[in-house]
Amino acid sequence: DAKTTQPTSMDCAEGRAANLPCNHSTISGNEYVYWYRQIHSQGPQYIIHGLKNNETNEMASLIITEDRKSSTLILPHATLRDTAVYYCIVLRTVNRDDKIIFGKGTRLHILP
Amino acid sequence: DTEVTQTPKHLVMGMTNKKSLKCEQHMGHRAMYWYKQKAKKPPELMFVYSYEKLSINESVPSRFSPECPNSSLLNLHLHALQPEDSALYLCASTRTPGQGGEQYFGPGTRLTVT
Repeated sequence: DAKTTQPTSMDCAEGRAANLPCNHSTISGNEYVYWYRQIHSQGPQYIIHGLKNNETNEMASLIITEDRKSSTLILPHATLRDTAVYYCIVLRTVNRDDKIIFGKGTRLHILP
Repeated sequence: DTEVTQTPKHLVMGMTNKKSLKCEQHMGHRAMYWYKQKAKKPPELMFVYSYEKLSINESVPSRFSPECPNSSLLNLHLHALQPEDSALYLCASTRTPGQGGEQYFGPGTRLTVT
């Protein structure tokens, strides 16, 4: 399995950009990087995904290095509501089914 | 409607009880998933259903029995559970099996086994 490594926790001041790194050095050429977050006591929420190009949506930006061994999720203007556990995931397809294997994630604290 | 609903929100059951968890989505998604999440741990995949057929069982004990009666509904039948099975049980769905894409998660059922 392509495993991911993330910092256990990070702090970010409200209004600043939050940059969350992820290492996925064993990723295969056709595997996508996904980011989800889980706010306390809720189900995980999809944020963004990408293959090799940088991606942006209304929630975040995803920067993937050229060798695809690492990526960074950017929340451009963090708010208190962005306090959550952020999971970086490499999506595996097994026998035509998708498997999300969650790592330990990064606990992001947004500080007022 | 972009929602996955789960009932009940909370469940307390004894070790000899039989109960069921229910998950529903009306987005036309054809892949549905059960995850188990212990406190302060990441979710762990339990089962995957593709086109209403069980396609992945992550070596889950037989006291957990999934069922997919139709494309909108996913059940998890529970019998003779142990206290260590207490956890948050999450359901998720995605549009097309094996095509990647966003998984939509429900809010979960918090299960306590006494």
